[in-house]
Amino acid sequence: GQNIDQPTEMTATEGAIVQINCTYQTSGFNGLFWYQQHAGEAPTFLSYNVLDGLEEKGRFSSFLSRSKGYSYLLLKELQMKDSASYLCAVRDSNYQLIWGAGTKLIIKP
Amino acid sequence: IAGITQAPTSQILAAGRRMTLRCTQDMRHNAMYWYRQDLGLGLRLIHYSNTAGTTGKGEVPDGYSVSRANTDDFPLTLASAVPSQTSVYFCASSGEGGPEHGELFFGEGSRLTVL
Repeated sequence: GQNIDQPTEMTATEGAIVQINCTYQTSGFNGLFWYQQHAGEAPTFLSYNVLDGLEEKGRFSSFLSRSKGYSYLLLKELQMKDSASYLCAVRDSNYQLIWGAGTKLIIKP
Repeated sequence: IAGITQAPTSQILAAGRRMTLRCTQDMRHNAMYWYRQDLGLGLRLIHYSNTAGTTGKGEVPDGYSVSRANTDDFPLTLASAVPSQTSVYFCASSGEGGPEHGELFFGEGSRLTVL
């Protein structure tokens, strides 16, 4: 079966760095996405990786290793507004998105 | 209208009743999707449409139906609601050839409670 694993919840301190991991087992691979979802709101796109390596976008970076079935989202200089759930999704060989359950990130002052 | 609009935003429904969730987009995206989101589970695809006039079944299609008469609208119908359909429903769309290779744009969600 297809599976996406990510931690249920993480806590970090304002101004610090946090890494949210995602491991996947899917039928084929056509890209990995990270989305941010604030409580009670819609998910919004953060990043996309299809090749191995690091993609950097301001305070957020996303890393992919296809051979290991592994990705992480790195958030730097954490702000209170970064408190949200972070969803990992993999596009399989049929170009369907398989979603993880999300990681709830709690930022403390 | 800007982006994707869903209606209603929230609804309480008696079991056995019929309900249609509306979704309209103004981005001229070909592909549209309906997901449900439940606590502790990832987003699960109910139905999708790659282009106007075509629809397909997702991971959890039972008890739901969709239609795609035109590019902009993609309503989701629950023919006879059951309590297990209590969930938050998200409509989404994606355009082809975009720089993010299939980024999804989501509506604000419809919270449905079936009693």
